[in-house]
Amino acid sequence: AQSVTQLGSHVSVSEGALVLLRCNYSSSVPPYLFWYVQYPNQGLQLLLKYTSAATLVKGINGFEAEFKKSETSFHLTKPSAHMSDAAEYFCAVRMYGGSQGNLIFGKGTKLSVKP
Amino acid sequence: DAEITQSPRHKITETGRQVTLACHQTWNHNNMFWYRQDLGHGLRLIHYSYGVQDTNKGEVSDGYSVSRSNTEDLPLTLESAASSQTSVYFCASSAGGASTDTQYFGPGTRLTVL
Repeated sequence: AQSVTQLGSHVSVSEGALVLLRCNYSSSVPPYLFWYVQYPNQGLQLLLKYTSAATLVKGINGFEAEFKKSETSFHLTKPSAHMSDAAEYFCAVRMYGGSQGNLIFGKGTKLSVKP
Repeated sequence: DAEITQSPRHKITETGRQVTLACHQTWNHNNMFWYRQDLGHGLRLIHYSYGVQDTNKGEVSDGYSVSRSNTEDLPLTLESAASSQTSVYFCASSAGGASTDTQYFGPGTRLTVL
């Protein structure tokens, strides 16, 4: 069965530092991959998604992620953290050719940004 | 603007009571989903629907039911609420027809079962 693993339930960085949130998937077939962000007391919002068009995907708010098939990874990065980036981030996978719309989510990584 | 709404936003109920959480979307999306979010578990799929009169069980469907009588609404019913169902519930929708579809989420309903 396909699954998603997010390494680190909590990540803390200083303002201006690099943000790196890790996501690995388990699948023999490259899936479609998504990163969502959840701000406190809100629903989830799409940051970016990999749809096989390009391995480096740029999203909103300066985030980007690179799909690496050899490492089965889709890590999320941002060169310089801002206080407003403090939130919880979820990686999700949908299998190519699988169910129409079902996503499988990782357990989330809470990002804290220190001044 | 198109949107997805959930009501109520907060609900406190007692064990054994029937509870219905509403979800309404104005995008005319075919697909609708219900998730629950619990600390340490991320989001887990409860039920989903690919169109009117279509419903399917997700990973954690026991104790929950849904019905889809129109495109816009997918209400979630807890037949007999249990303390284990205390959680935050999110509804989502997507257009359908492509694996690259984005799911759009509602603001959530925080349910407490006493």
